[in-house]
Order: sequence, then C-alpha cells, then structure tokens
Amino acid sequence: AQKVTQAQTEISVVEKEDVTLDCVYETRDTTYYLFWYKQPPSGELVFLIRRNSFDEQNEISGRYSWNFQKSTSSFNFTITASQVVDSAVYFCALSGGNAGGTSYGKLTFGQGTILTVHP
Amino acid sequence: DTAVSQTPKYLVTQMGNDKSIKCEQNLGHDTMYWYKQDSKKFLKIMFSYNNKELIINETVPNRFSPKSPDKAHLNLHINSLELGDSAVYFCASSLRTSGATDTQYFGPGTRLTVL
Repeated sequence: AQKVTQAQTEISVVEKEDVTLDCVYETRDTTYYLFWYKQPPSGELVFLIRRNSFDEQNEISGRYSWNFQKSTSSFNFTITASQVVDSAVYFCALSGGNAGGTSYGKLTFGQGTILTVHP
Repeated sequence: DTAVSQTPKYLVTQMGNDKSIKCEQNLGHDTMYWYKQDSKKFLKIMFSYNNKELIINETVPNRFSPKSPDKAHLNLHINSLELGDSAVYFCASSLRTSGATDTQYFGPGTRLTVL
C-alpha cells in the first residue's frame, strides 16, 4: 500500500515570507507519480504539478518550486514571497505506476497542509 | 468552457433518502473518478471508470453505485443516505486508459449534507 504524509497540519506566515510544505511518501512501486494540488477557500481542487519518479530534476514555476528527493522519499513544495492569495489547503498526492499493482491509477492523498498568509 | 462539472454544488437531504450527483467532462478524457473528502479534508478514491467500464472499486458501501452512460459522464447514486455520508464528493478525469500516468483534473465538488 502507498502512503503520503504531510507532517505540517497548519502553517501561518506573513506576506512575502518564503514557506516550504513538506511531503514524504511510501510506495513499493518502482514507477510512480507525485502531485501537488491546491484547495483554496472556494473549495475546488487545482492541479499544480506532476513529477515522475524517474525524473528527479527540481522545478520552478514563478514563485513556486518543487524539490524531489528520491533518496529521502520527499517531494517538498516551496512558495517564495508568499501572498495572501496563496492561502489554501495544499495536498501532496501519489499514484502508483506499476501496471497491475494495487496502487495503479489511484491517487493517494496526504492529509493536507493549511497555509494561511497574513497581510 | 468548464472542464469537469458537477451538479448540484450543494445537496441537503434527510437520512434514508436516495440521491444522485452528476458529473460531466468535456476534455475528451477516457477515465473518470469519484473521490470523497471528509470533514477533516481527507480525500479518498471511491471509484474509477475507463470508457464506461468500472476499473477501480474501493471499499465503499453497496449503497453507492456509480453509473457511466458514456465516457464523458460519471454519475454517483447513493441509496438510503446515512449521516456519515455527509462529505464533499469530487469527480475527476484523466486522459488515457493508463490512468496512473496522467494528471487527474477535478470538478468543483458537491457538498452533501445528510440531516
């Protein structure tokens, strides 16, 4: 079975601070996919990024960056110069990639981290 | 031009009733899913369908029955509603048959409240 742990339940920062959201995963699949989703107060789930297990390159998109470290089974998400609009619940998720495996095609979500950015 | 849509957005009903939630996607995707988000925000997959065929069926009570009339629609019917069914239900879709490799895009959610 696969598991995703987001140890930080809630984080509170002041605008313009940098913030890192931690994500640690467990899987027996040799191929897998990692995701981050954002759930703003309006409630929808917004896709942010997908990362393949065989691609450990870090990625930057504007103020967002992701650090994938296979050696520590972590896929952390950093927001630089946070803004009030970044306030949301952020979910890390994992999907198994071994065809026929029990985790194939299923997104397993972490518990979510509530980020509050104060003005 | 909504990608994944769900109706209704809010659903309030009495215990014991039967209700349905509809989901439609206009992305041309092959695979659709239902997820349940409980009061603690925990998200868990319930079902997935690929081109009208059920491929994932998690441990969900028999009172929940998904129905896919075509690959663009996946509805969720719930019989004999219980208090514990109160949650937000999300529909999602992904591009290809091999759903593991593709990003899942979510609908806006349906908040179900059972009184």
